Amino acid sequence: EVQLVESGGGLVQPGGSLRLSCAASGFTVSSNYMSWVRQAPGKGLEWVSVIYSGGSTYYADSVKGRFTISRHNSKNTLYLQMNSLRAEDTAVYYCAREVRSSWTFDPWGQGTLVTVSS
Amino acid sequence: EIVLTQSPGTLSLSPGERATLSCRASQSVSSSYLAWYQQKPGQAPRLLIYGASSRATGIPDRFSGSGSGTDFTLTISRLEPEDFAVYYCQQYGSRTFGQGTRLEIK
Repeated sequence: EVQLVESGGGLVQPGGSLRLSCAASGFTVSSNYMSWVRQAPGKGLEWVSVIYSGGSTYYADSVKGRFTISRHNSKNTLYLQMNSLRAEDTAVYYCAREVRSSWTFDPWGQGTLVTVSS
Repeated sequence: EIVLTQSPGTLSLSPGERATLSCRASQSVSSSYLAWYQQKPGQAPRLLIYGASSRATGIPDRFSGSGSGTDFTLTISRLEPEDFAVYYCQQYGSRTFGQGTRLEIK
């Protein structure tokens, strides 16, 4: 079964850091495009970052320079390192596989909540 | 950047009725890149439709998608109680999502 499980969310002060993890099963992270998408409380979906199978990375302007996406091939795990966190980064963070044969995000993990507050 | 605008913001209908949700793009998009997702409270989004009109695996045939260019539609032919949720359209090329349509029980 293809599955994604996020972890690492929590409460952090403004200016702090947090690293999210997304463990994959049923497929190989390094052979796929993998994205992070977030959802602020009561709001819609916002794409955050992607890492391509070849290793190239891209970011939304709202997080560029503060967030870093990476992966650990042997652990089959995706990461999102978040630095200089702001209140507006408060959201549920989902990891998702990009399926290039259908140009979609599928599947999604269950999400992990990040709260930035003093 | 392509902006997707969904309408209406909220749609109030009864089980058994037909639902029509709209997604309008700020410029023409390839139908291949247009998808729809369903999200229920406390859950992750689930893929419903890809390529504007193809149902994802396991999606009931009461869900259908159509459209091209800048105007796309998600139709639910006869609403079941489990269909009341928030629906998002998405354009893969710029990885943008619409703001969502909340489908609520009338």
